[in-house]
Amino acid sequence: DVKVTQSSRYLVKRTGEKVFLECVQDMDHENMFWYRQDPGLGLRLIYFSYDVKMKEKGDIPEGYSVSREKKERFSLILESASTNQTSMYLCASRTGTSGHNEQFFGPGTRLTVL
Amino acid sequence: RKEVEQDPGPFNVPEGATVAFNCTYSNSASQSFFWYRQDCRKEPKLLMSVYSSGNEDGRFTAQLNRASQYISLLIRDSKLSDSATYLCVVNPMTGGFKTIFGAGTRLFVKA
Repeated sequence: DVKVTQSSRYLVKRTGEKVFLECVQDMDHENMFWYRQDPGLGLRLIYFSYDVKMKEKGDIPEGYSVSREKKERFSLILESASTNQTSMYLCASRTGTSGHNEQFFGPGTRLTVL
Repeated sequence: RKEVEQDPGPFNVPEGATVAFNCTYSNSASQSFFWYRQDCRKEPKLLMSVYSSGNEDGRFTAQLNRASQYISLLIRDSKLSDSATYLCVVNPMTGGFKTIFGAGTRLFVKA
């Protein structure tokens, strides 16, 4: 059974804190993604990675960075959290380079920045 | 104009009803299309891919209209368990990795 796990379901941080969100997949997928989901806006791509140590900016990378040191793990870092980064963060993974393949999502991390 | 647009709903239908959602996309070169389902406070999960010839999976039928640049999802004989948000997903294939998600259409099926 395929599985994508995220380090926390709920997280509360203060403005200015550095925040780490971790995602692990056990499917040996090459591609991993970080999205944020906000009401009325849908899922927006923050960053993706197509291989270890490789990363590409998505649509809204400002204020975020990522790290992929191992194939199974993709971390999202908020360098200095701000209140407008309060959101649901979803990690996903996908095999291959084809856009026809299914993305598998983790359960999400609901981050609140006070 | 958004790259992928959906009617947010909500659609409120009785059990047993037939309901249809449409989704329009702006990039005429888009190649891959999907419907994902997202339950309240859960992650999205693939419902079905959408093929050029249309495809059916039990009570669900998906269709693609390239000329008018929209995809549709038809649900027949609605069940209470169909209540969810349905996300339209398009891969524009410019670069290969990017996937565009619609904001979703909420469906409530009532007893």
